[in-house]
Amino acid sequence: GEDVEQSLFLSVREGDSSVINCTYTDSSSTYLYWYKQEPGAGLQLLTYIFSNMDMKQDQRLTVLLNKKDKHLSLRIADTQTGDSAIYFCAETPLRGGYQKVTFGTGTKLQVIP
Amino acid sequence: GAGVSQSPSNKVTEKGKDVELRCDPISGHTALYWYRQRLGQGLEFLIYFQGNSAPDKSGLPSDRFSAERTGESVSTLTIQRTQQEDSAVYLCASSLAVDEGLGKNIQYFGAGTRLSVL
Repeated sequence: GEDVEQSLFLSVREGDSSVINCTYTDSSSTYLYWYKQEPGAGLQLLTYIFSNMDMKQDQRLTVLLNKKDKHLSLRIADTQTGDSAIYFCAETPLRGGYQKVTFGTGTKLQVIP
Repeated sequence: GAGVSQSPSNKVTEKGKDVELRCDPISGHTALYWYRQRLGQGLEFLIYFQGNSAPDKSGLPSDRFSAERTGESVSTLTIQRTQQEDSAVYLCASSLAVDEGLGKNIQYFGAGTRLSVL
């Protein structure tokens, strides 16, 4: 079955880089996503990567995918206090019919001024 | 509307009462999802609607939970005889129709309904 795991907490200093890691079990995953959830709000898509890619960069965000190890990471450069939030990794497994997105447990990022 | 709208934003109820939560998806989004998020935990899938297909109810935790959707518009999640363990944030998301195969599935979330069962 599908399982997506993340560490629960990460603390970094403002201006440093943050790296949030995720592992997943479904080798047939097609798309992998990173969502951000700010306090009291729903999830917002940050970025996604297709499984035939190994890296995607979007401004301060870099996504790295190691498909062999089923490991996904999100790097945030020059982390700001506004980046403090919970970050969810998610995957879309390949299956017929519709596609259900499986979310990880979320990593709470704390940015220290 | 511009985004996914959920109501109420907060609901406090007494144990044993029924509650109804509402979700208005983004216009044109045929797929609609309900999730439960307990305090400090990840998202727990509850139910999924896709157009006129039979909904996927595999995530509903008990027969006290049910959901309806009218066509491709509003959905309601009903919890009967609420229990304290039902206290959580209930999130709704919608997305465009997902093609079979390799289509990406970007979900747009509402702000959620925070349910507190006393």
